[in-house]
Amino acid sequence: DGGITQSPKYLFRKEGQNVTLSCEQNLNHDAMYWYRQDPGQGLRLIYYSQIVNDFQKGDIAEGYSVSREKKESFPLTVTSAQKNPTAFYLCASNTGGGYGYTFGSGTRLTVV
Amino acid sequence: RKEVEQDPGPFNVPEGATVAFNCTYSNSASQSFFWYRQDCRKEPKLLMSVYSSGNEDGRFTAQLNRASQYISLLIRDSKLSDSATYLCVVNPGGSYIPTFGRGTSLIVHP
Repeated sequence: DGGITQSPKYLFRKEGQNVTLSCEQNLNHDAMYWYRQDPGQGLRLIYYSQIVNDFQKGDIAEGYSVSREKKESFPLTVTSAQKNPTAFYLCASNTGGGYGYTFGSGTRLTVV
Repeated sequence: RKEVEQDPGPFNVPEGATVAFNCTYSNSASQSFFWYRQDCRKEPKLLMSVYSSGNEDGRFTAQLNRASQYISLLIRDSKLSDSATYLCVVNPGGSYIPTFGRGTSLIVHP
């Protein structure tokens, strides 16, 4: 079945460490997105990519980096510059043009 | 004014009740609209798209009011399993980047 796979489901980061969250889709979607959700809050856009080898900053890109070398993959790196990274991270994709999203099951990142 | 606004609730209703949520948006050029459901500690899932003519899916009815710039979601005969957060999503014209509301929490009790 087609879908989006995020891994790992849970991730623990030490202070000063970079970590990378994986997002893979087999839906043949052009556009992919990363969102952050804090408890009781809405989704905030970190980065998005509408096409391979191109991506744009969202509302809260500071302290994060991404790459889009393949259509299927859009990994997110949480760098040590992100001072408050503990959150629920959601990857999504769509065909663009206003069509609805498909979300991955998310990664819960905790700083220890 | 925020781009997309929702009453966070919670809406606390008994089983069998009818409940309605609204979502207002500020960009009059917005072209497509959606309702998502998010269960606790899970990812959002598409509930339904919202068309200009309105649409219905079983107990759920979604409507769009362009003049007043809001969309609505009506749930009839509420079930315990309807308890969740309902997110509205508004897609601005000419952009791939939809804007999410913060969600409305629904609690259906016996």
